[in-house]
Amino acid sequence: KNEVEQSPQNLTAQEGEFITINCSYSVGISALHWLQQHPGGGIVSLFMLSSGKKKHGRLIATINIQEKHSSLHITASHPRDSAVYICAVRETSGSRLTFGEGTQLTVNP
Amino acid sequence: DTEVTQTPKHLVMGMTNKKSLKCEQHMGHRAMYWYKQKAKKPPELMFVYSYEKLSINESVPSRFSPECPNSSLLNLHLHALQPEDSALYLCASSQVGSEKLFFGSGTQLSVL
Repeated sequence: KNEVEQSPQNLTAQEGEFITINCSYSVGISALHWLQQHPGGGIVSLFMLSSGKKKHGRLIATINIQEKHSSLHITASHPRDSAVYICAVRETSGSRLTFGEGTQLTVNP
Repeated sequence: DTEVTQTPKHLVMGMTNKKSLKCEQHMGHRAMYWYKQKAKKPPELMFVYSYEKLSINESVPSRFSPECPNSSLLNLHLHALQPEDSALYLCASSQVGSEKLFFGSGTQLSVL
């Protein structure tokens, strides 16, 4: 079992829909990251969370430390949001990031 | 400048070739990383440099040889690679001890 599990693996939405991607982890963490990767490779850091909720434009990330769960929400989705979204955690005992398998999001016009 | 620049963007090499991947940043970050990413898989950490010294080597085969000649540059020297080494190689940087990573766009490597 992966230490970081994401769901769904694949998600197709229509433009304008509200999207939620989930991340569950099984270890104690010091921080959780949400990353975005477009075709062609480059990774962009969207959020880094250790508690609570963060918002940036149409993106919202939440984390529940007790339940070891985080969600990434996209409001008013747009085709340019199509990308792979990756959850990654830094364990309290470690110096490395542990990545989830990613969620492939496709937003159709 | 908040960019991590990787060159080349694409590289095709034979198994007997020697090539190098280059990564550059001018954000004053003293931690730099190499990751390998196979298609539809998450990145895997290969090496970490902290203050220009190798601090983590994730049991990477010796055909991959990292080098950090100064605080802005990170190289990955490649020699006698195998076809299974074909992947996207990503460089990242951060302030030492900081959580926020800045990634480059990667070098897509094909080994024939």
